[in-house]
Amino acid sequence: SQQGEEDPQALSIQEGENATMNCSYKTSINNLQWYRQNSGRGLVHLILIRSNEREKHSGRLRVTLDTSKKSSSLLITASRAADTASYFCATPRDSNYQLIWGAGTKLIIKP
Amino acid sequence: DGGITQSPKYLFRKEGQNVTLSCEQNLNHDAMYWYRQDPGQGLRLIYYSQIVNDFQKGDIAEGYSVSREKKESFPLTVTSAQKNPTAFYLCASSARDTSYLGANVLTFGAGSRLTVL
Repeated sequence: SQQGEEDPQALSIQEGENATMNCSYKTSINNLQWYRQNSGRGLVHLILIRSNEREKHSGRLRVTLDTSKKSSSLLITASRAADTASYFCATPRDSNYQLIWGAGTKLIIKP
Repeated sequence: DGGITQSPKYLFRKEGQNVTLSCEQNLNHDAMYWYRQDPGQGLRLIYYSQIVNDFQKGDIAEGYSVSREKKESFPLTVTSAQKNPTAFYLCASSARDTSYLGANVLTFGAGSRLTVL
């Protein structure tokens, strides 16, 4: 069963604006990962946040984790056309080898 | 350059045929994975292998088979028993992370798109 659920399903913004997408999950986790997928391609790892962390930054990316609400958010600041992609969160289930993926948020950056 | 190579990129299969998707990595990763992705959906785990000569079923293993005879290679066979095989197939690998609250960060191949005619 799918544990991670991204919200919104689709997001369209102007270049330069910030994009925020959310991920909710159901069970306790040790870590949560975010990945990006360009159309028709493989996924690329963006950032990992562990359950003892509340916020993490990587370049224009900011990820937060609220374990009490079982949710995470991914913020992309100063969006660019190249950020157009689908974004997925992944959480471990029975083991770190078995990740559960949401359906993703499709982000479109308009020039 | 280190990475994962999947082949072929596109594959067409007639009903009743078995097909094998190739996945090769030169990252020296212990673990390898096969996922299936259908339009507008997340990834679903087919099989994974933590180490050579060992593999485990994922959520949707029925109709698929794998082998892990070499560390670098993890081929996936889509058998005729898989009733709806048209999908995008992704292979991934990860290094072992034994740290506290560790995670397996996946490196993905570019994918193979299988279409049943």
